Amino acid sequence: KAGVTQTPRYLIKTRGQQVTLSCSPISGHRSVSWYQQTPGQGLQFLFEYFSETQRNKGNFPGRFSGRQFSNSRSEMNVSTLELGDSALYLCASSLRGTQETQYFGPGTRLLVL
Amino acid sequence: QQQVKQSPQSLIVQKGGISIINCAYENTAFDYFPWYQQFPGKGPALLIAIRPDVSEKKEGRFTISFNKSAKQFSLHIMDSQPGDSATYFCAASIGPNTNAGKSTFGDGTTLTVKP
Repeated sequence: KAGVTQTPRYLIKTRGQQVTLSCSPISGHRSVSWYQQTPGQGLQFLFEYFSETQRNKGNFPGRFSGRQFSNSRSEMNVSTLELGDSALYLCASSLRGTQETQYFGPGTRLLVL
Repeated sequence: QQQVKQSPQSLIVQKGGISIINCAYENTAFDYFPWYQQFPGKGPALLIAIRPDVSEKKEGRFTISFNKSAKQFSLHIMDSQPGDSATYFCAASIGPNTNAGKSTFGDGTTLTVKP
């Protein structure tokens, strides 16, 4: 069974631009969570989608948004990029939620210049 | 407010030794406590997880000890091997209905096992 895939793997943007990251969960998994990982803040929860609905949201500004499609694939969008948005963005999938085994993708490393 | 505090930040252990990483949480509503292992360039991978109704769970060389009254849990890696060298994260989440999907992570511990 294929694992969680994330595209692109690396991305360089400039301040003020917007970016869209994509995540394809493991087949059959309906829950997709997004995390931001930085050396200073560690792993921080962004949001979780389940069956195309945002079920929970972390403490990030409204510039961070996401959506999930009917095939469970998910996208995350960051508008008006700031230097501090440079991070590794991880997506994790599970059958139903984070109360069970979450499988992480390799992440998308975003650099904002 | 950091809800899960992890220590130590880094740990060096000799091959064959025991690695111990500790986490403390504040929110008594947490009811699921997983540990993740992350290698450079990879996403975290679930190692082992525990729920508060048990005090210990063992899987191979990895053991979680859980102390509900102290709001602490720890990961023990027995017979540590150089291949265990990685960053370890503890996490806690609430669920399944009210806050499903919201996991809070510790800051991570970088483990180095010397041959």
